[in-house]
Amino acid sequence: DQQVKQNSPSLSVQEGRISILNCDYTNSMFDYFLWYKKYPAEGPTFLISISSIKDKNEDGRFTVFLNKSAKHLSLHIVPSQPGDSAVYFCAASAGPNDMRFGAGTRLTVKP
Amino acid sequence: EAGVAQSPRYKIIEKRQSVAFWCNPISGHATLYWYQQILGQGPKLLIQFQNNGVVDDSQLPKDRFSAERLKGVDSTLKIQPAKLEDSAVYLCASSLEGSYSDEAFFGQGTRLTVV
Repeated sequence: DQQVKQNSPSLSVQEGRISILNCDYTNSMFDYFLWYKKYPAEGPTFLISISSIKDKNEDGRFTVFLNKSAKHLSLHIVPSQPGDSAVYFCAASAGPNDMRFGAGTRLTVKP
Repeated sequence: EAGVAQSPRYKIIEKRQSVAFWCNPISGHATLYWYQQILGQGPKLLIQFQNNGVVDDSQLPKDRFSAERLKGVDSTLKIQPAKLEDSAVYLCASSLEGSYSDEAFFGQGTRLTVV
């Protein structure tokens, strides 16, 4: 079951510009959302999260926006850097210690 | 702080053979997960342990997959017999008990190729 969907398998942006990665979900019970970043040959690492009681969370260059009515969230990276090139996974949780992942979006930031 | 350790990093086996993966979580992490990540897809939860008890194994193909977590620390995941469609990266992750998953730390994974 694809409860979490990332419809763009890849995204390419120029260094210094904004990267916007999108994620949609279907389960209205999800109340916590996370973004993970994965480099080749490494496990995913936690990047940023947002609770359903918020619509925005910011951490440095990374901002996650949540639109509950649309069941949509997005990750903004500003400014994008070549080191941000990785696969980004959106994940959603309906309770503690429960995560469903999207298929990932491969971001390439060109110098 | 040492991260989640997994071994082996790579494994190639023939179909119908058996294989086992090992995971050592971060010290003190009560929750341990095994995920399967097929190429082009996101990680899919196979099994979740809380200490040495199983919390969720609803997506574990129990006819061929098994997992245990002895003494609530290390864990092994076994496939017997393997099928071609089991080719994937198997990720182990751990987190503190009751955390909202944002503190889930992943190992590097074991890449399994079944030929």
